[in-house]
Amino acid sequence: QVQLQESGPGLVKPSQTLSLTCTVSGGSINSGVYYWTWIRQHPGKGLEWIGYAYFSGSTYYNPSLKSRVAISLDTSKNQFSLKLSSVTAADTAVYYCARDSATQTKQNFFDYWGQGTLVTVSS
Amino acid sequence: QSVLTQPPSASGTPGQRVTISCSGSSSNIGSNYVHWYQQIPGTAPKLLIYSNNQRPSGVPDRFSGSKSGTSASLAISGLRSEDEADYFCAAWDDSLSAVFGGGTKLTVL
Repeated sequence: QVQLQESGPGLVKPSQTLSLTCTVSGGSINSGVYYWTWIRQHPGKGLEWIGYAYFSGSTYYNPSLKSRVAISLDTSKNQFSLKLSSVTAADTAVYYCARDSATQTKQNFFDYWGQGTLVTVSS
Repeated sequence: QSVLTQPPSASGTPGQRVTISCSGSSSNIGSNYVHWYQQIPGTAPKLLIYSNNQRPSGVPDRFSGSKSGTSASLAISGLRSEDEADYFCAAWDDSLSAVFGGGTKLTVL
């Protein structure tokens, strides 16, 4: 059974960089089948796709966040990470890591999710 | 403002059939697959339907999805109290991003 678990600071100061890690168990992120994804949910609101990284090292980001986002894989630890720079209060959200199991272009769907971690941006 | 439009709420009584709609455009639902997620408050979303009408293993056949043109629907038959949750539709948008609906809160009366 695949499991994902987010970890990282729950409080980040404005203008700093938000850094989160997702540890994957029950499967390898190096399998070449899945896209390792970050999604966030602002309090009481809908979901926002942030982007993904693929085992080859390729990445793809939401155009609205692209200038501030970096997603990377650490295959030795079976983890992937999110960095979001220059954060503001608008970046306060629950951040989820998820596995994207698309087998066709533009099919993207998320079949396994972490439990989510709340990150608050405040001084 | 979400790219995909869902009604904010829906309700039904146990045993009833309920449908939740999701409206988009030619750049998302009209040309790409639709997926549905169930989220019980305080927990992570769970994949309910993928690729318009496919159920992952373990999802009861009471849940079904359909798509027509730029709209999609999730139907829940034989409504049960444990179906009370938020439901989100999602699709890839040709502006190069996955997009979601704003969510529909389903109440079982």
